[in-house]
Amino acid sequence: SAVISQKPSRDICQRGTSLTIQCQVDSQVTMMFWYRQQPGQSLTLIATANQGSEATYESGFVIDKFPISRPNLTFSTLTVSNMSPEDSSIYLCSVVISGRSQETQYFGPGTRLLVL
Amino acid sequence: AQRVTQPEKLLSVFKGAPVELKCNYSYSGSPELFWYVQYSRQRLQLLLRHISRESIKGFTADLNKGETSFHLKKPFAQEEDSAMYYCALLPGGGYNKLIFGAGTRLAVHP
Repeated sequence: SAVISQKPSRDICQRGTSLTIQCQVDSQVTMMFWYRQQPGQSLTLIATANQGSEATYESGFVIDKFPISRPNLTFSTLTVSNMSPEDSSIYLCSVVISGRSQETQYFGPGTRLLVL
Repeated sequence: AQRVTQPEKLLSVFKGAPVELKCNYSYSGSPELFWYVQYSRQRLQLLLRHISRESIKGFTADLNKGETSFHLKKPFAQEEDSAMYYCALLPGGGYNKLIFGAGTRLAVHP
C-alpha cells in the first residue's frame, strides 16, 4: 500500500486568487493522478502527473487553470488558478502501486476547497 | 463511450437486511471493475475488484458481461457498512485511468 498526504487539508479562498495543493507519497510511484470531486458529484480525473514532463490533461481541463508539477516520483503539486466559486471542490491525489500480480489505486485524504 | 452508472443515490436498509448496490457499465472491451468505499471522515479506499473474486467484509460482486453489470451484494447489512460506495471501471490494455460512477450512499439503520 501507500501512505499519501495532502496539504492543505482544507482552505477558504477569495475569488481570483490561486491555491497550490501538495501531494506527498511515502514511496516512489510511477503513476500519479489528480481528481476533483465537486459537491454531490463523483470523482473526475483532472490530469495524470508525469515525472519529468508535462502533465496529461483530461478533456475540459487545461494547464493554465490547473498547472501541475511532478519534480520526482514521490511528490506533486496541483495549482488551482484564478479561482471562482465553481472551483469549490475536494481535490484528491491518487497513485497506483504495483503488487505481486495486480495494480491498485490509492487515494489521498483530499483537500477541501471553498472559494468565496 | 466508457461510462459507469449507479442508478441509486441513496439506499436505506435496516440492519440484517440484504443489500444490493447496483452498477452498470458501458465499455466495448474487457474491463476491470472495482468497488471503492468511503466511510465518514475517511479517505476513499478499495473494497474489492472483480478479478480477485473475493469477499471483503461480507461483500461480494460478480461481473456479468451479458448484462454489463457489477452489482455489490451483502446478505446481512451491518450499521458499520454505512458509507458512500463507488463503482469504477478500468478500461483494458494496461493501467490507465479509473472511471467512477456517481456513487451510492448506503445507510444502514438499527
